Amino acid sequence: ILNVEQSPQSLHVQEGDSTNFTCSFPSSNFYALHWYRWETAKSPEALFVMTLNGDEKKKGRISATLNTKEGYSYLYIKGSQPEDSATYLCAFTNAGGTSYGKLTFGQGTILTVHP
Amino acid sequence: NAGVTQTPKFQVLKTGQSMTLQCAQDMNHEYMSWYRQDPGMGLRLIHYSVGAGITDQGEVPNGYNVSRSTTEDFPLRLLSAAPSQTSVYFCASRYDRAGANVLTFGAGSRLTVL
Repeated sequence: ILNVEQSPQSLHVQEGDSTNFTCSFPSSNFYALHWYRWETAKSPEALFVMTLNGDEKKKGRISATLNTKEGYSYLYIKGSQPEDSATYLCAFTNAGGTSYGKLTFGQGTILTVHP
Repeated sequence: NAGVTQTPKFQVLKTGQSMTLQCAQDMNHEYMSWYRQDPGMGLRLIHYSVGAGITDQGEVPNGYNVSRSTTEDFPLRLLSAAPSQTSVYFCASRYDRAGANVLTFGAGSRLTVL
């Protein structure tokens, strides 16, 4: 089992605050790291996929970085808005072997942005 | 372009009954997968497939069966439903086998086993 850990489990911030969360994954045999945004009563929606060490991706006020050597990724939200309230999931896939292609999710970080 | 279509959206079963959750995608995606979502547990992988005729187990495969006879369809079968299988089930697919492309999720199927 490939362990993907996310922290914190939940986060409450005020509108306008910037925030970040962490995803830790096994550093050996890395292939790709995914981030998804999941609103209540909806399906998860993709934010980013990163495959190279040092990758940085940005989508509006949300950005992510990747460190494959130490096995972590950060997701940043600048100037949080109430509509950013959601669960943020990361997922990891490794480069081959018996679990080729298998995408394993962390438990998620629940973000609540208060007006 | 319908994306990933899951049926049914809701289902109530009695313990011991069997049923099939259907999943179909029209995007010519090679990879398809089934996850279950339980409170505090995130998304746990049940089974996945990297192409027609190829399936493999995820983290929680017991009590479930899958097949992939076509690229488009990936049904999930509950052989003898148990209350522990009460959950929300998501089917998801992506273009590539290896994982460099994002997953597209279905709308989810809420299953209750009494």
